[in-house]
Amino acid sequence: SAVISQKPSRDICQRGTSLTIQCQVDSQVTMMFWYRQQPGQSLTLIATANQGSEATYESGFVIDKFPISRPNLTFSTLTVSNMSPEDSSIYLCSVEDLGNTGELFFGEGSRLTVL
Amino acid sequence: LAKTTQPISMDSYEGQEVNITCSHNNIATNDYITWYQQFPSQGPRFIIQGYKTKVTNEVASLFIPADRKSSTLSLPRVSLSDTAVYYCLVAPGGGGGNKLTFGTGTQLKVEL
Repeated sequence: SAVISQKPSRDICQRGTSLTIQCQVDSQVTMMFWYRQQPGQSLTLIATANQGSEATYESGFVIDKFPISRPNLTFSTLTVSNMSPEDSSIYLCSVEDLGNTGELFFGEGSRLTVL
Repeated sequence: LAKTTQPISMDSYEGQEVNITCSHNNIATNDYITWYQQFPSQGPRFIIQGYKTKVTNEVASLFIPADRKSSTLSLPRVSLSDTAVYYCLVAPGGGGGNKLTFGTGTQLKVEL
């Protein structure tokens, strides 16, 4: 299993500002995944972050809006840039089981409210 | 990735067995079926995974018919604390960086 810590757990932000979310894992992992969960909705994958290479973004998400860093095998950040109220969501960090079962472990999420 | 279809919501009472069915008609040969549970203000949590027939753990059972085009998550004797959203996902198993696509999920509400 993996224990994932996210910071901040929640924040209220002003329109036009940017916020960086941190994700720390208690073990080394190859890939980390960032998801977005809008109010009352399911989870949508934003991007996959590999250590030592550029993140891979899903359709509808771009690096300028959601820059991601992956400086080592236990840490990643997601920045939500130039925020608007539509960016109000829960952002979740996830990693895959080290035993390669395909199971995902999730952080508690970061709930962002943009005013 | 195979698309899944499951009921939007279900209601039950404490002590009852709850069965949530998921359809995945275009499941591939190497796909596994995985169910996650999500409580409010928490990330999803793995419940059970299977490939065919029946899988049981301390939390739930997963029934998969021979054609694997659907699966049923069975929660025995639910309690109020089982109120959550349950997601059915289908993706290649065995890890290797596979990305799980979450469908709409089923909101289960358990009442007294």
